[in-house]
Amino acid sequence: GAVVSQHPSRVICKSGTSVKIECRSLDFQATTMFWYRQFPKKSLMLMATSNEGSKATYEQGVEKDKFLINHASLTLSTLTVTSAHPEDSSFYICSARDSFYNEQFFGPGTRLTVL
Amino acid sequence: AQKITQTQPGMFVQEKEAVTLDCTYDTSDQSYGLFWYKQPSSGEMIFLIYQGSYDEQNATEGRYSLNFQKARKSANLVISASQLGDSAMYFCAMRITGTYKYIFGTGTRLKVLA
Repeated sequence: GAVVSQHPSRVICKSGTSVKIECRSLDFQATTMFWYRQFPKKSLMLMATSNEGSKATYEQGVEKDKFLINHASLTLSTLTVTSAHPEDSSFYICSARDSFYNEQFFGPGTRLTVL
Repeated sequence: AQKITQTQPGMFVQEKEAVTLDCTYDTSDQSYGLFWYKQPSSGEMIFLIYQGSYDEQNATEGRYSLNFQKARKSANLVISASQLGDSAMYFCAMRITGTYKYIFGTGTRLKVLA
């Protein structure tokens, strides 16, 4: 089956620093990728839709200047948490849509801890 | 507005028994898909089963089956012959056809007892 990877799987950073998380589709092209955020023992909340070659579409309440998304190629989308604070600590999961088969696949997630 | 409701925050089941995880949904769209995902403690989302809104038969995938009752807007997951490895968080999700966005329920934590 199709594989989506995320890097890093776990990151700890100091408050005020920026953190970049990568989402890659390994064996298919993904014109659309999605970024979700999951608080402990909570559901996944869609943050934004990442479209290759264009600006991301953010969900209501998500700060676009805080969570920068870049989808520069058909296999890579990045989420940068700028000036991270402890409240940004969360589990971030991406999903990628296989344009050809119109199926979506989730990445394994990235656990961010901001000290 | 679309919404997924999972009313069981936690469930216990004895090994080898069957268990039903409830899911109800709300949408005014006619074309949509319903999904169940398993999330073990590692965090990855594992796809289990899919039901399209126009599918007349209930979906089945091995030990997983989806009890789809369209009039009641419910899409319950049935796991037969539970195994210890089934202990995880289970999420019901909906995707409106053409949008590609998932709407997730709050999840049910299943614990299988030996």
